[in-house]
Amino acid sequence: GAVVSQHPSWVICKSGTSVKIECRSLDFQATTMFWYRQFPKQSLMLMATSNEGSKATYEQGVEKDKFLINHASLTLSTLTVTSAHPEDSSFYICSAAITGPDTQYFGPGTRLTVL
Amino acid sequence: SQQGEEDPQALSIQEGENATMNCSYKTSINNLQWYRQNSGRGLVHLILIRSNEREKHSGRLRVTLDTSKKSSSLLITASRAADTASYFCLSHDYKLSFGAGTTVTVRA
Repeated sequence: GAVVSQHPSWVICKSGTSVKIECRSLDFQATTMFWYRQFPKQSLMLMATSNEGSKATYEQGVEKDKFLINHASLTLSTLTVTSAHPEDSSFYICSAAITGPDTQYFGPGTRLTVL
Repeated sequence: SQQGEEDPQALSIQEGENATMNCSYKTSINNLQWYRQNSGRGLVHLILIRSNEREKHSGRLRVTLDTSKKSSSLLITASRAADTASYFCLSHDYKLSFGAGTTVTVRA
């Protein structure tokens, strides 16, 4: 089946630093990748949708300068949390879609803790 | 913002019992999907039901969709301890919206 990986699986960083999270589709090419954020005991919130080679589309309320998304190839998208603060601590999950959002394959998630 | 709402928020059942959870949405959808998430892990796709379908089965799972009520239900029959997880619906209209989720605990 289609496999999506994320790296790192967890990261702890100091306030003010930037953190990059990678999302890779391992055995398929993804036309679209999605980034979600999930706070403890809450649901997933879609942050942005990215298509290879074009700018990401951010959901309302998500700061594009804070959460930089790069989708350089059909198998890789990165999310960079810039100048991270403790309130950015969360579980970040990506998903990759082959033909559209109906079939998303989710990564295992990255737990970010900002001290 | 989250479109879907799910109830109950939490469900505790004995192994072997059935578990039913519901999801509501607010706008017309193309399809609705159900996912399972084990604690602190990624999501596993369970089933997709399209707007022109009313019921779908997959193993011990049964999903219904009532577009007139804008709601869907997920039934897990003969539950097992391994079914302990959070279950989310994902509705797809012009955007993707996850429901709030139902946390299911299956007691051995």
